[in-house]
Amino acid sequence: NAGVTQTPKFQVLKTGQSMTLQCAQDMNHEYMSWYRQDPGMGLRLIHYSVGAGITDQGEVPNGYNVSRSTTEDFPLRLLSAAPSQTSVYFCASSRNSGTAYNEQFFGPGTRLTVL
Amino acid sequence: GQQVMQIPQYQHVQEGEDFTTYCNSSTTLSNIQWYKQRPGGHPVFLIQLVKSGEVKKQKRLTFQFGEAKKNSSLHITATQTTDVGTYFCAGHRVAGNKLTFGGGTRVLVKP
Repeated sequence: NAGVTQTPKFQVLKTGQSMTLQCAQDMNHEYMSWYRQDPGMGLRLIHYSVGAGITDQGEVPNGYNVSRSTTEDFPLRLLSAAPSQTSVYFCASSRNSGTAYNEQFFGPGTRLTVL
Repeated sequence: GQQVMQIPQYQHVQEGEDFTTYCNSSTTLSNIQWYKQRPGGHPVFLIQLVKSGEVKKQKRLTFQFGEAKKNSSLHITATQTTDVGTYFCAGHRVAGNKLTFGGGTRVLVKP
């Protein structure tokens, strides 16, 4: 199993550009999520999905869109990049066992710089 | 909204010494998870606690979940250079789907 994969590893954008960060997992996990990590701020939840066709907002959803058309893929779209979106982005997945919570498996991250 | 705080933000430890990092939630949690992130890496799951007052050990690491399920601690004994990294706690609110992370404790080890 490749686990959770993310592309690209690095990206530089200009203010106003749009792009999609890709995330895929091959563990048949129902739950997937996107976090951003900024120095001293920990990991903040952007959006999450409990299954194909279902998405919901996290703590910091503004400026980002997601969709979940398949179990495997959970892309994150930046609509109009801003310097405040400069960050490291992590995708994570976990099994959904009903009322039980399970460990999150994280991808290697995408380091995004917006100029 | 739910907030999870960790203290200290930074911990400088002499190799061989013990230290503890603390995690406090503004709301009652269903569970607490701990992750470790090595410099330049991604968070890796260490452990999950779900019961009030639960204590779990992994070699030199001891994890505790408070009686009120609003706080947790991680105690590391005889710190080694391999313990370098940032330790995050994270938890779900009761019946919630969102996993909220604390700000992390960055551990630096002096040989």
